[in-house]
Amino acid sequence: EPEVTQTPSHQVTQMGQEVILRCVPISNHLYFYWYRQILGQKVEFLVSFYNNEISEKSEIFDDQFSVERPDGSNFTLKIRSTKLEDSAMYFCASSEGRSEHYGYTFGSGTRLTVV
Amino acid sequence: DQQVKQNSPSLSVQEGRISILNCDYTNSMFDYFLWYKKYPAEGPTFLISISSIKDKNEDGRFTVFLNKSAKHLSLHIVPSQPGDSAVYFCAARQGGAQKLVFGQGTRLTINP
Repeated sequence: EPEVTQTPSHQVTQMGQEVILRCVPISNHLYFYWYRQILGQKVEFLVSFYNNEISEKSEIFDDQFSVERPDGSNFTLKIRSTKLEDSAMYFCASSEGRSEHYGYTFGSGTRLTVV
Repeated sequence: DQQVKQNSPSLSVQEGRISILNCDYTNSMFDYFLWYKKYPAEGPTFLISISSIKDKNEDGRFTVFLNKSAKHLSLHIVPSQPGDSAVYFCAARQGGAQKLVFGQGTRLTINP
């Protein structure tokens, strides 16, 4: 079964450093997403990406965050200057389309720890 | 943001019995609802969904019921199996939007 692949599975970084979280969505999917889950809290939407641009973003997705699809297969989330409160599980997801007929497939997540 | 609420943080059910997980929402613009299952160290896995034009959707052991007037949905698993032990998330989407709004999750434990 096709899957969404995320690397690394765990990333530790110092506060103020930049991190890049990587995702390989399912190959025929057109919509890409990042979600995060702070420990003990809900899974929260960050951003959706379609046709090489952001199509929707949440208030969490401020100027320190950016997304990119650099080479047609990878989809990355960059956090420019990490803060302690950025520590969370970050999930990438993809879908074939945007209607209810298309499911969202999630990756296994990257656990980001900011120290 | 309390638009989607799962009020039971945990539920324990005997193997073979029915598991009922509940979810309430406040946003009447939501028109599509999904249930996800999550094991530790894995991402959410899609289980079943329902559109707001329906009140029931069934897939094998899983049935989702939607009560729009009460803004309530439930997931029924019957019969419950040990492999069903996981955290279950309810999620909702508003027409035209792409983001999913998740509940806090309910940890289901199936006892042998």
